[in-house]
Amino acid sequence: DAMVIQNPRYQVTQFGKPVTLSCSQTLNHNVMYWYQQKSSQAPKLLFHYYDKDFNNEADTPDNFQSRRPNTSFCFLDIRSPGLGDAAMYLCATSPRGVEQFFGPGTRLTVL
Amino acid sequence: GNSVTQMEGPVTLSEEAFLTINCTYTATGYPSLFWYVQYPGEGLQLLLKATKADDKGSNKGFEATYRKETTSFHLEKGSVQVSDSAVYFCALQGPGTASKLTFGTGTRLQVTL
Repeated sequence: DAMVIQNPRYQVTQFGKPVTLSCSQTLNHNVMYWYQQKSSQAPKLLFHYYDKDFNNEADTPDNFQSRRPNTSFCFLDIRSPGLGDAAMYLCATSPRGVEQFFGPGTRLTVL
Repeated sequence: GNSVTQMEGPVTLSEEAFLTINCTYTATGYPSLFWYVQYPGEGLQLLLKATKADDKGSNKGFEATYRKETTSFHLEKGSVQVSDSAVYFCALQGPGTASKLTFGTGTRLQVTL
């Protein structure tokens, strides 16, 4: 089945140790999004790619970076994770930005 | 700017009770409206959507009608089940390609036997 896949589902890292989260899709959608969702809150958009064009939200910390090497894959890099970065990270895709399809999320724990 | 206001949770209902979760919005232009559901430890699943005024979205017994005159998109279900226990997010997306989703704060629904 076509879907959005996130790996790993659970990631534990140490304070300040870089970590990379992965998202892949078989939907061939143009747009890919990364959201951060903290406990009992709504998802917060970090950035998105429309094809190869990167769009950063104004309040996304510099600590968060992203790469999209091809249509199918998108990565979220956290350069120096702090305790406040512990959250669920959600990837979503969209055909031309009309409707978004979410992956299962990666829960990040920072020790 | 765009905003979405949802009723505060948690909402606790007995199985087979009627459900309403209120959602109102503020937006420029003509947004699309969505309800997403999130089960514990999972990502968001699209439950239903409506893209223009008076459209009714429906799925799995849930319904919501896009009411432009009252800027509302209330979620309803006639008879809830224990398996409906989850967090429900109302969201809007402005017109234009790749425009961002604006979410409400989410409403937790707990259904008991």
